[in-house]
Amino acid sequence: EDQVTQSPEALRLQEGESSSLNCSYTVSGLRGLFWYRQDPGKGPEFLFTLYSAGEEKEKERLKATLTKKESFLHITAPKPEDSATYLCAVQADGSSNTGKLIFGQGTTLQVKP
Amino acid sequence: ETGVTQTPRHLVMGMTNKKSLKCEQHLGHNAMYWYKQSAKKPLELMFVYNFKEQTENNSVPSRFSPECPNSSHLFLHLHTLQPEDSALYLCASSQGSQGAFSGTPLHFGNGTRLTVT
Repeated sequence: EDQVTQSPEALRLQEGESSSLNCSYTVSGLRGLFWYRQDPGKGPEFLFTLYSAGEEKEKERLKATLTKKESFLHITAPKPEDSATYLCAVQADGSSNTGKLIFGQGTTLQVKP
Repeated sequence: ETGVTQTPRHLVMGMTNKKSLKCEQHLGHNAMYWYKQSAKKPLELMFVYNFKEQTENNSVPSRFSPECPNSSHLFLHLHTLQPEDSALYLCASSQGSQGAFSGTPLHFGNGTRLTVT
């Protein structure tokens, strides 16, 4: 069964204190790994897609990396506006005929000034 | 309007009511999705439509009935719901595919917060 596990469940950082969020996955075959940001009362906002091990993508203070078993979302010198829940999801061979994504439970990040 | 729009944003209904959730996408996509988001749980897929054809029903109870009249619109018809159905219902869209999907991101609306009393 395809599964996605995120850790930690919650993370508190001081402004400027860099850290990483983890997403471990078990899938039959990876079609794509996705990172989303979700603010309270809103839908998930797409950040990145990673397709193969070794790939990296960056956007402002965020950098996503991928290995064969996990992905990391590195946050460099975070600001309070980076506070949100970060969701990881995979699209796997077993669901490639529908396009569905399988989500982890998310990491809620709080950045204090 | 751009992106994925969901209405209403909030809905309170009794267990004997019938209501509908509406989703409209302006991204030119051909695949649409309903997800359920409950507190402390991962997003849970409900239904998938690809080029107006339903391609997945994730064992959803029949009190939830989807409808996709065209590639831009998706509805979720609700009747005789239970209090445990209270959740955030999210609609999403993506590029459709006549074959296998290959790492296609989904784009979400802001959801309908449903409360069943």
